[in-house]
Amino acid sequence: DIQMTQSPSSMSASVGDRVTITCRASQSIRNSLNWYQQKPGEAPKLLIFDASTLQSGVPSRFSGSGSETDFTLTISSLQPEDFATYYCQQTDYTPRTFGQGTKVEIK
Amino acid sequence: QVHLVESGGGVVQPGRSLRLSCAASGFTFRNFGIHWVRQAPDKGLEWVAVIWYDGSSTHYADSVKGRFTISRDNSKNTLYLQMNSLRVEDTAVYYCARDNGAWDYWGQGTLVTVSS
Repeated sequence: DIQMTQSPSSMSASVGDRVTITCRASQSIRNSLNWYQQKPGEAPKLLIFDASTLQSGVPSRFSGSGSETDFTLTISSLQPEDFATYYCQQTDYTPRTFGQGTKVEIK
Repeated sequence: QVHLVESGGGVVQPGRSLRLSCAASGFTFRNFGIHWVRQAPDKGLEWVAVIWYDGSSTHYADSVKGRFTISRDNSKNTLYLQMNSLRVEDTAVYYCARDNGAWDYWGQGTLVTVSS
């Protein structure tokens, strides 16, 4: 199975901060990498697919980059509604696998 | 508007069975593969199973293989997950999610608690 490793596992940040979350795959997954946001008690929400394509309706402060094994999710200016847990997911191989999550908390 | 609504969760004893449903609306259900994903309390997301758009192929996580069966009824726009021989470690919120390349729509989840 493809192992997805996110870093950091958690972080504290302030409104307005630039936030970067990384995700590393245990082998090349080309650009088959998605990012999801999950708030407590809610289902995950798709933010970015194919490593860098913004899902419709997602604010432009979210962006994704990377390919092969190394990927990044960036929030250019953190907003109050962005405090949540973020997951990366590979869809190049079955089983589909997720990273362990990155919890972004208020500093 | 796309909607996925899970149901069928509850409290069940170890070794017993439960069947989850996921009712779809707002899109052409028969055109999309659908996944089950679960999340144990305060844990991350774990993919469980997938069924192709026409039901011709299914795949399972090793943790549920041989115990869970995914199926669908395209005439009823409904996905199912038959869970047998349940274990304490199957306790989780179970989500269904539409596969559009990425998983663009998810249900709200249904809680399954396996406890004696």
